[in-house]
Amino acid sequence: EPEVTQTPSHQVTQMGQEVILRCVPISNHLYFYWYRQILGQKVEFLVSFYNNEISEKSEIFDDQFSVERPDGSNFTLKIRSTKLEDSAMYFCASNPGREDGYTFGSGTRLTVV
Amino acid sequence: AQKVTQAQTEISVVEKEDVTLDCVYETRDTTYYLFWYKQPPSGELVFLIRRNSFDEQNEISGRYSWNFQKSTSSFNFTITASQVVDSAVYFCALSEVTDSSYKLIFGSGTRLLVRP
Repeated sequence: EPEVTQTPSHQVTQMGQEVILRCVPISNHLYFYWYRQILGQKVEFLVSFYNNEISEKSEIFDDQFSVERPDGSNFTLKIRSTKLEDSAMYFCASNPGREDGYTFGSGTRLTVV
Repeated sequence: AQKVTQAQTEISVVEKEDVTLDCVYETRDTTYYLFWYKQPPSGELVFLIRRNSFDEQNEISGRYSWNFQKSTSSFNFTITASQVVDSAVYFCALSEVTDSSYKLIFGSGTRLLVRP
């Protein structure tokens, strides 16, 4: 069964550093998403991406965040200057059409020290 | 505004007991989808079910069953004859389908502990 692949599974970074989280969505999917889950809390929507542009973003997704689909297969989330409160599990997801079911990746656990 | 409430923060049962996880949602949309996901200790999100707002039939899949009631805005999940492997956090979610995206709004989750 096709999977959404996220790398790395765990990343530790120093406060103030830039970090890039990588995702490979399922190849025929058109909509891509990033979600965040702070430890012990609920999963929160960050951003959706369609047709090479952001289609919607949440209040969490401020100027320090950006997304990119650099080569037609990868989908990246960049955090420019990490803060301690960015420590969380970040999930990538994709779906083939706007109202189709989601497939989530297994997540990247980001720890900011 | 859309909202999902899972009032049960944590439930503990003994193996083989039946357990129901509650989910209440709020939406003004007439077309929406409801989901349940399982998050085991390893952290991934495991899809369990998706139900659209026009299909109120209850669903059964093995030991799992779901009861969707629009009249009470609830989408409850029952595990029959629970097993230790069912121990996980379970999230209910609601989709908001707009012209631009299809984001999920999650509840705060219910941690289920099944004791041997």
